[in-house]
Amino acid sequence: SAVISQKPSRDICQRGTSLTIQCQVDSQVTMMFWYRQQPGQSLTLIATANQGSEATYESGFVIDKFPISRPNLTFSTLTVSNMSPEDSSIYLCSVVFYESDRAQHFGDGTRLSIL
Amino acid sequence: QKEVEQNSGPLSVPEGAIASLNCTYSDRGSQSFFWYRQYSGKSPELIMFIYSNGDKEDGRFTAQLNKASQYVSLLIRDSQPSDSATYLCAAGRGWNNRLAFGKGNQVVVIP
Repeated sequence: SAVISQKPSRDICQRGTSLTIQCQVDSQVTMMFWYRQQPGQSLTLIATANQGSEATYESGFVIDKFPISRPNLTFSTLTVSNMSPEDSSIYLCSVVFYESDRAQHFGDGTRLSIL
Repeated sequence: QKEVEQNSGPLSVPEGAIASLNCTYSDRGSQSFFWYRQYSGKSPELIMFIYSNGDKEDGRFTAQLNKASQYVSLLIRDSQPSDSATYLCAAGRGWNNRLAFGKGNQVVVIP
């Protein structure tokens, strides 16, 4: 089965810094998404990563804080900028595989803690 | 009103029994519905998806969808201790089939 790799798996960062999270898939996908799961909470969609164009952000999320790139069909990055303790969360990428149902499949996530 | 609501508290079921989970959604434009299982410290894993009214069975799992009532359910038959997890209901809508998730229901299967 296809593999969805996220890097790093976890990190501890200082406030005010930025971290870029990578999502790599080993087969072609039609859609890629980025979610946040805060401690004890469910998943909240941050944005849809569009290939070769600006991401589509959900209400409450802005490009300056969460810049996203998707240069090709199988790779995307999410940057968490100017981090504060409130950004401590698990960040997950999800994909919809090409020629499949519309279901989203998740990577293992990046556990981020801000000191 | 949240887009997807899962209001039941933790559910404890004896091994071998049926676990029943419910979910309602507010957006009538939602076209696709999903159940994910999430073990503690892990990412969500897709269990079932359903797009049409009625029942859909896959092994020990049955998903039910009633679009008129905006209601989705999941039945887990012959529950096993390995089914102990949090179950997330999600509804998809829009050009990108963006997902809105419920807060999840914890299921504990007691041996």
